[in-house]
Amino acid sequence: SQQGEEDPQALSIQEGENATMNCSYKTSINNLQWYRQNSGRGLVHLILIRSNEREKHSGRLRVTLDTSKKSSSLLITASRAADTASYFCATEGGNNRLAFGKGNQVVVIP
Amino acid sequence: DVKVTQSSRYLVKRTGEKVFLECVQDMDHENMFWYRQDPGLGLRLIYFSYDVKMKEKGDIPEGYSVSREKKERFSLILESASTNQTSMYLCASTSRAANYGYTFGSGTRLTVV
Repeated sequence: SQQGEEDPQALSIQEGENATMNCSYKTSINNLQWYRQNSGRGLVHLILIRSNEREKHSGRLRVTLDTSKKSSSLLITASRAADTASYFCATEGGNNRLAFGKGNQVVVIP
Repeated sequence: DVKVTQSSRYLVKRTGEKVFLECVQDMDHENMFWYRQDPGLGLRLIYFSYDVKMKEKGDIPEGYSVSREKKERFSLILESASTNQTSMYLCASTSRAANYGYTFGSGTRLTVV
């Protein structure tokens, strides 16, 4: 099955800084999604970008998608302590099944 | 507030026991999924269902079964729990319409002793 792979695996930044995470995948997709997981909890859907879209914004989140390179990036601007979480990318290939990457741990230091 | 509810946050069971993990969603979603999450391995799909009484194997179905008798409820069954099934179990649902994200439950942390 398809799988997203995030890079870097762990990120530690100061509050107010921007955080960028990258995700690569191997096969064609219908869409790519990003999720956040706070410690020990379920995942929360953040944003979905379709394969024919190149960039999408939602609040402080900016997602880009480059299907020629099979990669995506998630940018969190002006980070807050509450953004401390694990972030996962997931790819959907047309059957409503998502394949998840292993996640990125982001720590925002107040 | 729409949601996916998993019946237990924490569960401790003995080896060999039959374990039921329940998941209920109130969004009239057709698709429901069970994942397990382990450190270093990410989320792995166990079983999923596209409709009532339908079930499909995911990537790691061995040792598990599922039941979907009603649209809103998707149960994961460990027929004979083993210590290697100690994990965080996550249920999710989504609409059949394309391009919607999943809604996840809060997870059940299962420990098999």
